[in-house]
Order: sequence, then structure tokens, then C-alpha cells
Amino acid sequence: EADIYQTPRYLVIGTGKKITLECSQTMGHDKMYWYQQDPGMELHLIHYSYGVNSTEKGDLSSESTVSRIRTEHFPLTLESARPSHTSQYLCASSDDRGNTMNTEAFFGQGTRLTVV
Amino acid sequence: GDSVTQMEGPVTLSEEAFLTINCTYTATGYPSLFWYVQYPGEGLQLLLKATKADDKGSNKGFEATYRKETTSFHLEKGSVQVSDSAVYFCALSGSNAGNMLTFGGGTRLMVKP
Repeated sequence: EADIYQTPRYLVIGTGKKITLECSQTMGHDKMYWYQQDPGMELHLIHYSYGVNSTEKGDLSSESTVSRIRTEHFPLTLESARPSHTSQYLCASSDDRGNTMNTEAFFGQGTRLTVV
Repeated sequence: GDSVTQMEGPVTLSEEAFLTINCTYTATGYPSLFWYVQYPGEGLQLLLKATKADDKGSNKGFEATYRKETTSFHLEKGSVQVSDSAVYFCALSGSNAGNMLTFGGGTRLMVKP
């Protein structure tokens, strides 16, 4: 079973509030990712990190920001939440050591965010 | 760039029916291929994988064969159960810079008793 955790599982928050979605993994993985999953199920990569102090933007532009101060922790922050941010957010990690050609990603259970 | 195309759902089957979910990909080089499953309210779990041409990944009665000549990785199961109802994602990695996973759009499977 994967050791990657997301909190909270569900969050309902008002427009304009600042929020941070937490993601932690205990597997020592260097790579971590944030995906946004729309109601049609498709996954969109919004942020990723190769390791401590590394953050990159993904394929889908997002108003959120991320930080990677510790290997195990990769929080996502929205400075001012809007209804358009309502979505499911999935965090994942993978091991970049050794043979990267068959590296699988491990996913957290997700945070379902609703902005009202 | 890399891309993965899956058959659109939902796919609705009766219990014990045969399942095929088609997946084709476009990539440079020799990617690894994966099927992930997402049960309601959960994150994604790896179902099976294949790392080179002609490899067959299998798990929980599901199978998929890496077909380089047709750039395909179709998911099959001989007899589905109600508990298989979920969303299935085909993905590849290893072809692009940074070995990022590229996902297909997902296929929802509904199995009726």
C-alpha cells in the first residue's frame, strides 16, 4: 500500500479565502506531482518537483503555487480561492533512482475542493 | 509530444462479461506503459505495467500486452465483477524529458449484477 497522504479529503471554502492542500509521502521519493482532475475524469498535471527546492509548472496553467522545502512534503496553495478552482486535486510521487523507465507513480486519495 | 488515447466511456457490462478497453499511444523512443484504476472517491492505483515490447502485464485477472507494431496496450479481463466498476486510465512514461507520466482521458466501467 502506498504511503502518500493528502489532507483534507474534502474542503468547502468561501471565495477569496487562502487555502493550502497538504501532501506528504514517507517513501523517500524525489519526484512529486499535483494533478487536477475535472468532473469528466481527465487528469491535468499542474505542478511537479524533482526534489528539494525544485518546482515546475505542468501542462495546465494553474493559479496555485507549490513549495518543496522537505523531500516528504509538497503542499499546494491557493492565495485567493474562486469557484473556478472547484475540482479534485491528486498528489503523487515516484522514485527517480535506478531504472526510471518503469517508474510507477503512487497517488494519494485526493482532496475534493469546493469553492462557494 | 507524447499522447495516450483511450476509448470513451462509459462502458456498461453485465457481470461475467468479457472486457476490452482500447488504448493507443504516440511517443518517441521506448516508453513504459501502465494501466491505473480509480475506485469511487479514491486516488489512482497501479493495476499493471509493461516495460518493453511484447511484455504482458497482469493483475487481478486483468491483462494488457505491449504491442509496439500497433502502438497499443489494450486492457482485457475475461469475466468482470461488480467490484471492477471504476475508472481506468492508460498511461506511458519514459519517453519525454523527466520521465513524466502521460495519461489518457480515462474510461468509466460500470458492471451490473
